[in-house]
Amino acid sequence: GNSVTQMEGPVTLSEEAFLTINCTYTATGYPSLFWYVQYPGEGLQLLLKATKADDKGSNKGFEATYRKETTSFHLEKGSVQVSDSAVYFCALRGLSSGSARQLTFGSGTQLTVLP
Amino acid sequence: NAGVTQTPKFQVLKTGQSMTLQCAQDMNHNSMYWYRQDPGMGLRLIYYSASEGTTDKGEVPNGYNVSRLNKREFSLRLESAAPSQTSVYFCASRSWSGNTIYFGEGSWLTVV
Repeated sequence: GNSVTQMEGPVTLSEEAFLTINCTYTATGYPSLFWYVQYPGEGLQLLLKATKADDKGSNKGFEATYRKETTSFHLEKGSVQVSDSAVYFCALRGLSSGSARQLTFGSGTQLTVLP
Repeated sequence: NAGVTQTPKFQVLKTGQSMTLQCAQDMNHNSMYWYRQDPGMGLRLIYYSASEGTTDKGEVPNGYNVSRLNKREFSLRLESAAPSQTSVYFCASRSWSGNTIYFGEGSWLTVV
């Protein structure tokens, strides 16, 4: 079945530091890949997505590139801000996950950015 | 823009009590989902509904029932709550052709 393995947290960085959160996946075919963000006390929001190999998703300074050869979708940001403090979830939606095509999530990575 | 709306946001139950979590979406989406979120485990799918009138089990359906009342609404029922059902519950929806799943703000449930 499909699975997502995500870098364990928590991750603590100083403001303006470089961020990488690793994500690798197992799936058949070419799944769609997503990063969701959850701010304290809120639901999940889509941060970015990529639907085919070598696509780069980007939003709010975050980027992730769909690497089929390494089955990875690592999240990066060049300069984090305190407001980026949140939990980040990597997820995939596979081709063979039933008619509802639901998401499979990683365990989440807590990011704290200190001023 | 309401999107996906869940109620209640917080609830405390005693073991053995029943309750229903309500979810409604105003985006005319066909598919709706219920997930639970537990520390260190990400989100796990409880039940889903691919379209009005259909429901199917997800990864962790035991102890839950669902109803797809109409296209807008998808409720989750705990018939006899157990402490293991203490969790944060998220409702979500997706259009038939869309690639993005939209989430509600979550319902924090504690069973004591």
